[in-house]
Amino acid sequence: DAKTTQPTSMDCAEGRAANLPCNHSTISGNEYVYWYRQIHSQGPQYIIHGLKNNETNEMASLIITEDRKSSTLILPHATLRDTAVYYCIVKAVDNYGQNFVFGPGTRLSVLP
Amino acid sequence: DTAVSQTPKYLVTQMGNDKSIKCEQNLGHDTMYWYKQDSKKFLKIMFSYNNKELIINETVPNRFSPKSPDKAHLNLHINSLELGDSAVYFCASSHQPGQASSGANVLTFGAGSRLTVL
Repeated sequence: DAKTTQPTSMDCAEGRAANLPCNHSTISGNEYVYWYRQIHSQGPQYIIHGLKNNETNEMASLIITEDRKSSTLILPHATLRDTAVYYCIVKAVDNYGQNFVFGPGTRLSVLP
Repeated sequence: DTAVSQTPKYLVTQMGNDKSIKCEQNLGHDTMYWYKQDSKKFLKIMFSYNNKELIINETVPNRFSPKSPDKAHLNLHINSLELGDSAVYFCASSHQPGQASSGANVLTFGAGSRLTVL
């Protein structure tokens, strides 16, 4: 599975959009981009995933570049509860279990 | 109506003891996992079971023995506990890989079980 690179940490003002980048320059054609987050002392929580089209759900939007080598997770109106570590994972679907490899992620701090 | 529930939430024990952590999911998922998050906060997969069959075993010491009595449960038994086993252990579940209509599956995690070995 392709490796991802994310900034170690980011700050965002409450109510503003939080844009979290992820580089995955070695992504293969059958690999999806997943985003999870982990709020302090809780289990990781799925946010969104996509293959090549931009995706939006009630939590966030995912923008994937045309060459698929990078993506951006957008939290449109960040709240204090969005403070968490955000993980970008690139993974192909296989028949042998979803071995998601979590890197260090980006620690997002939403400031009042 | 918790989707993935783990017990106990906290576990403090002495070196050399044997302990178990239980996990249950009520999502109807076919695949369950154990992840370990150490003090450096890296999440690493330990085991994956699909319909009670072991799929992934990531070079975990054989002191760790997962047991899946049915596809809704995956318990983790640890023998002869060591200081380095101190961590937060997360259980997770998902649909069977490849079966979701979108072609991709997502994991639902439990709240974690914090194990402290003294």
